[in-house]
Amino acid sequence: QQQVKQSPQSLIVQKGGISIINCAYENTAFDYFPWYQQFPGKGPALLIAIRPDVSEKKEGRFTISFNKSAKQFSLHIMDSQPGDSATYFCAASVVGNTPLVFGKGTRLSVIA
Amino acid sequence: NAGVTQTPKFQVLKTGQSMTLQCAQDMNHNSMYWYRQDPGMGLRLIYYSASEGTTDKGEVPNGYNVSRLNKREFSLRLESAAPSQTSVYFCASPPGGTNTGELFFGEGSRLTVL
Repeated sequence: QQQVKQSPQSLIVQKGGISIINCAYENTAFDYFPWYQQFPGKGPALLIAIRPDVSEKKEGRFTISFNKSAKQFSLHIMDSQPGDSATYFCAASVVGNTPLVFGKGTRLSVIA
Repeated sequence: NAGVTQTPKFQVLKTGQSMTLQCAQDMNHNSMYWYRQDPGMGLRLIYYSASEGTTDKGEVPNGYNVSRLNKREFSLRLESAAPSQTSVYFCASPPGGTNTGELFFGEGSRLTVL
């Protein structure tokens, strides 16, 4: 049973475009929804995270949109740059109770 | 930028051999985790330790054992390696003094089982 479903598996975006990655979850007890960014040969690194009490969080060019009723959240990368090319993982947990469970990842390629 | 240190970074084993992956964190947090990453499968939890002296199974524990040696160190052991255990293994721990849910990952240990 996959607790966090992520799509698409891969994404190609033109430089300057908007990259959108979606995730859906099943466990309504989840209260922490992070996105991790991973470059080849490196470990995943926290990019941005949201709690369910807000519908949107923005940090620079990166925005999380959260829809509690639909049990979905998404990552938007505005003005995508070649340096954003990486694998992105969504995840979810119940803070202090359950470990992070991850989606299967999205490989983003930003082309000039 | 130590945070979480994993050794070795690369390892090749033959089927049936054993080995231990080492992880140490200097963030002074109680919790530590072992994940494996396979293409198209994301990160799957193998084992975790909520505090020194405790360990719990994750999603894919079969074929692995763990030891929480002390607060800093959490090792993952493969007693009889199988080709299905070819993977990249990541150790993780929360940043010290926080309980936000964030995990800080090591750089990974790349294991090939022939």
